[in-house]
Amino acid sequence: DQQVKQNSPSLSVQEGRISILNCDYTNSMFDYFLWYKKYPAEGPTFLISISSIKDKNEDGRFTVFLNKSAKHLSLHIVPSQPGDSAVYFCAASANNNNDMRFGAGTRLTVKP
Amino acid sequence: ETGVTQSPTHLIKTRGQQVTLRCSSQSGHNTVSWYQQALGQGPQFIFQYYREEENGRGNFPPRFSGLQFPNYSSELNVNALELDDSALYLCASQPGQSNTEAFFGQGTRLTVV
Repeated sequence: DQQVKQNSPSLSVQEGRISILNCDYTNSMFDYFLWYKKYPAEGPTFLISISSIKDKNEDGRFTVFLNKSAKHLSLHIVPSQPGDSAVYFCAASANNNNDMRFGAGTRLTVKP
Repeated sequence: ETGVTQSPTHLIKTRGQQVTLRCSSQSGHNTVSWYQQALGQGPQFIFQYYREEENGRGNFPPRFSGLQFPNYSSELNVNALELDDSALYLCASQPGQSNTEAFFGQGTRLTVV
């Protein structure tokens, strides 16, 4: 039962352009969403989060958008840099509880 | 670097054996969660410990068990290993029960042969 889906296993963009990573969820009880970045041989690193009471959260080059009616969120990275190349995981939880559900990840490659 | 350390980094076990994985949480964090990440998938929640008590469990059989110690470090024990248990096991610590950002360790790569 995959409640969080990242349908694009990979994405390639040119340095300086925008990267848009998408995530869909099915559980309407989810009210807190997070993005993690993972480099090889390292654990996931927290990137940015958003509560369901908001539709946008911005932190530097990273912006997360939440569309509750569509059960969809996206991560925008602008401008993209080669160091952003990693696997990005979307995660969601309900009622701020302990059970985070992760998507399968999207591998982002930013080409110089 | 998050301050969450896991040991060992890699190990190989035989089907039917038992394994113990260890995690030292970040200083000041009293909550530890364990995740299993199979190849090509996202992490799956195994369970969480808060102040030495289990505080939620995912869809994993009882042969997956854990402990949290007074210093908030934690262990994941898996009995009767199966081939499908081969995965990256991630430990994450948080400053409290609420699910704000979790800080992950680098993981333990378990291979069951």
